[in-house]
Amino acid sequence: DTGVTQSPTHLIKTRGQQVTLRCSPISGHKSVSWYQQVLGQGPQFIFQYYEKEERGRGNFPDRFSARQFPNYSSELNVNALLLGDSALYLCASSFSGQGGDTIYFGEGSWLTVV
Amino acid sequence: AQTVTQSQPEMSVQEAETVTLSCTYDTSESDYYLFWYKQPPSRQMILVIRQEAYKQQNATENRFSVNFQKAAKSFSLKISDSQLGDAAMYFCAYKGYGGATNKLIFGTGTLLAVQP
Repeated sequence: DTGVTQSPTHLIKTRGQQVTLRCSPISGHKSVSWYQQVLGQGPQFIFQYYEKEERGRGNFPDRFSARQFPNYSSELNVNALLLGDSALYLCASSFSGQGGDTIYFGEGSWLTVV
Repeated sequence: AQTVTQSQPEMSVQEAETVTLSCTYDTSESDYYLFWYKQPPSRQMILVIRQEAYKQQNATENRFSVNFQKAAKSFSLKISDSQLGDAAMYFCAYKGYGGATNKLIFGTGTLLAVQP
């Protein structure tokens, strides 16, 4: 089975620009979550989507948005990029998004803002 | 709010020896899940082991085992017969049992070095 896939793997953006990161969950998984991992820290929860509906949102500004498509893939958008948005963005998928689901992570998208 | 604390930023172990990574957490919930994830230089988070809080028996996965002390809110990871491939950043994580989300709350990580 194909795991969680993310694209692009690396990208460099300029302050003030906008970025879109993409994620395809494991086949059969209906829930997708996004995490931000700044260098030297643990991942921080940004969003969770299930069946195209937002299930949860972390403590991130409105510049961060996401959506989930009918095929359960997801996009994370960040507007008006700041230097502090430089991080590894991890996508995770699970079957139902609840309870005892095992959560699987992709390899991440490295975003550098200059 | 739930928090996860890993007080050991770095640890080192000799190949074939045993090492224990510490994790404490804070929660007012009675049911929850705890996890250890491994993040090698490739940066992909790999699930090492999970523990359901309602289970008294400590989880074990091959060379990896946990010591879950619910009353003390402690969840340590023991790696036996350490191998060079075990070198990585290890994160302890918490997930609530109920609710609408499966949000994971991570600690700050412990960087494990394995010496040949």
